[in-house]
Amino acid sequence: SQTIHQWPATLVQPVGSPLSLECTVEGTSNPNLYWYRQAAGRGLQLLFYSVGIGQISSEVPQNLSASRPQDRQFILSSKKLLLSDSGFYLCAWSWTSGSAVTQYFGPGTRLLVL
Amino acid sequence: TQLLEQSPQFLSIQEGENLTVYCNSSSVFSSLQWYRQEPGEGPVLLVTVVTGGEVKKLKRLTFQFGDARKDSSLHITAAQPGDTGLYLCAGGNYGQNFVFGPGTRLSVLP
Repeated sequence: SQTIHQWPATLVQPVGSPLSLECTVEGTSNPNLYWYRQAAGRGLQLLFYSVGIGQISSEVPQNLSASRPQDRQFILSSKKLLLSDSGFYLCAWSWTSGSAVTQYFGPGTRLLVL
Repeated sequence: TQLLEQSPQFLSIQEGENLTVYCNSSSVFSSLQWYRQEPGEGPVLLVTVVTGGEVKKLKRLTFQFGDARKDSSLHITAAQPGDTGLYLCAGGNYGQNFVFGPGTRLSVLP
């Protein structure tokens, strides 16, 4: 079975500090991978998605970046955090069977920028 | 631009009551998913529906995909406090990114 991991679970960082969030998927190969941000009590905002190693597409211009150094590893980074970067970050992978395209989410990382 | 709307935005009911939440779009999706999310956790997939008119049941939860594959509903029978959470719907098309609704926040009071 497939599992998706994210770490850290919680992070408190000062404004201007760097960021690195990691996501790994087990039990599948060449998955499509996604980073989302969720503001408190709200829907999901797609930040980045990747269809393969080194292939990153950005949906929202911002001071965040993403990388995919390995097939099942997806990293979200920032050189200098802003207060507005606070939120709940979710990694997801997707699976296609026929006409059904389904996403599965990791447990999330709560980031608080002070 | 594809959009998904969900209603109601908030719902607070007593244990044992029935409820229905809706997910609507002007766009057609090849599949639609429902998720439940609890505070501080990632969304958990409840169901995927792919055929217009399809009805799926998961214990006390009944999901329906509209005939035109533009809308969906989630009906909960005899709600329990454990059903409390944020219910998200998401539409998917092959080769395109998912579209998520803003969610319905359900609170079931004991």
